[in-house]
Amino acid sequence: GENVEQHPSTLSVQEGDSAVIKCTYSDSASNYFPWYKQELGKRPQLIIDIRSNVGEKKDQRIAVTLNKTAKHFSLHITETQPEDSAVYFCAAPGTGAGSYQLTFGKGTKLSVIP
Amino acid sequence: DSGVTQTPKHLITATGQRVTLRCSPRSGDLSVYWYQQSLDQGLQFLIQYYNGEERAKGNILERFSAQQFPDLHSELNLSSLELGDSALYFCASSVQGAEETQYFGPGTRLLVL
Repeated sequence: GENVEQHPSTLSVQEGDSAVIKCTYSDSASNYFPWYKQELGKRPQLIIDIRSNVGEKKDQRIAVTLNKTAKHFSLHITETQPEDSAVYFCAAPGTGAGSYQLTFGKGTKLSVIP
Repeated sequence: DSGVTQTPKHLITATGQRVTLRCSPRSGDLSVYWYQQSLDQGLQFLIQYYNGEERAKGNILERFSAQQFPDLHSELNLSSLELGDSALYFCASSVQGAEETQYFGPGTRLLVL
């Protein structure tokens, strides 16, 4: 099955700085990579996703990059704000029999210091 | 609001007991996923149903079972509960498969005493 590793587990940045979270995956045939944000006590919510036919996708202050050769993808948040403080999860589906489920990374707790 | 509903929000029970968690997916979504999130842990995939049939199984214990009904709502049954089963249980839904946006419900917080 798919194995997803996420780093760092915790990240503190000053307001206005950038934050980068990285994930690696094991199944080279995986082709969909979502990122979820979970605020304290709330449900995870999709913030951005990327498919393997593109290398980068942006949505305002959030961007995701994908390197299929190296099997890693990253979340970039620019001009961070206190409301960006949350736990972020990356995920990847497997292929074959494992393609029906997403495997999530263990999460990165981002703290934005005002 | 994601459109996915879960009941109950909170559940307190004793070891050895059995509980049922309920999930209603977004209108039009055929797939339902169940996840377990323990304190400071990530999202552990338990099981997926698609249009009434089990499609994928994760690290679900034999004491746990689930089903999806003809109206597409799903139930997760947890039996012979242990202290370690205390966790937040999320249900998510998507139109069809895992390579689509999964919309999460608000979760059921289970406390086993």
